[in-house]
Amino acid sequence: AQSVTQLGSHVSVSEGALVLLRCNYSSSVPPYLFWYVQYPNQGLQLLLKYTSAATLVKGINGFEAEFKKSETSFHLTKPSAHMSDAAEYFCAVTYGGATNKLIFGTGTLLAVQP
Amino acid sequence: GAVVSQHPSWVICKSGTSVKIECRSLDFQATTMFWYRQFPKQSLMLMATSNEGSKATYEQGVEKDKFLINHASLTLSTLTVTSAHPEDSSFYICSASGGASGGTNTGELFFGEGSRLTVL
Repeated sequence: AQSVTQLGSHVSVSEGALVLLRCNYSSSVPPYLFWYVQYPNQGLQLLLKYTSAATLVKGINGFEAEFKKSETSFHLTKPSAHMSDAAEYFCAVTYGGATNKLIFGTGTLLAVQP
Repeated sequence: GAVVSQHPSWVICKSGTSVKIECRSLDFQATTMFWYRQFPKQSLMLMATSNEGSKATYEQGVEKDKFLINHASLTLSTLTVTSAHPEDSSFYICSASGGASGGTNTGELFFGEGSRLTVL
């Protein structure tokens, strides 16, 4: 079965510190992987996506993620956290095709301390 | 990027009434749209896949008679919560496929802003 696991429902970092949000997927076929950010009472905004091109993907707001097939991981990182990064982050996977059916992880709430 | 808009953003209704939520793709045609439901502090749960011109495909456990989906045009899908009850209170989010890019479907979805339904 296709699934995504996000380790850590809550992550707290200090402003300026490294952000690391973990995501592992299960798949028997090459996946497409996404990271979305959600601010309170809003929809989802795409941060970045992996679609079988470069394994290191750079997204918006200074975020990046690396696809590691051997580890079945797609962790999200940012070198220096900003207060505005505080939000809920979702990792998602789809296997392409016509349906674009996304399967979401449970989400990680990122808190940034001053 | 592509824009998807939902309306209304907030709706409060009395128990037993029906509520319609619209999802529009503003600058592209979406043959497929998806409806998600999100409970507080939880992830998004796919409810159904809406296909233009055909019946929606519902996920297991989602009542199709309760959540009516209509996708009559390439830019509009609607979700109607019929005979709403307090347990239907939730955040409903739609998404649409951005379609092909250079001939390859990358699987990217564009999300609406969400609609918060409160049933009294």
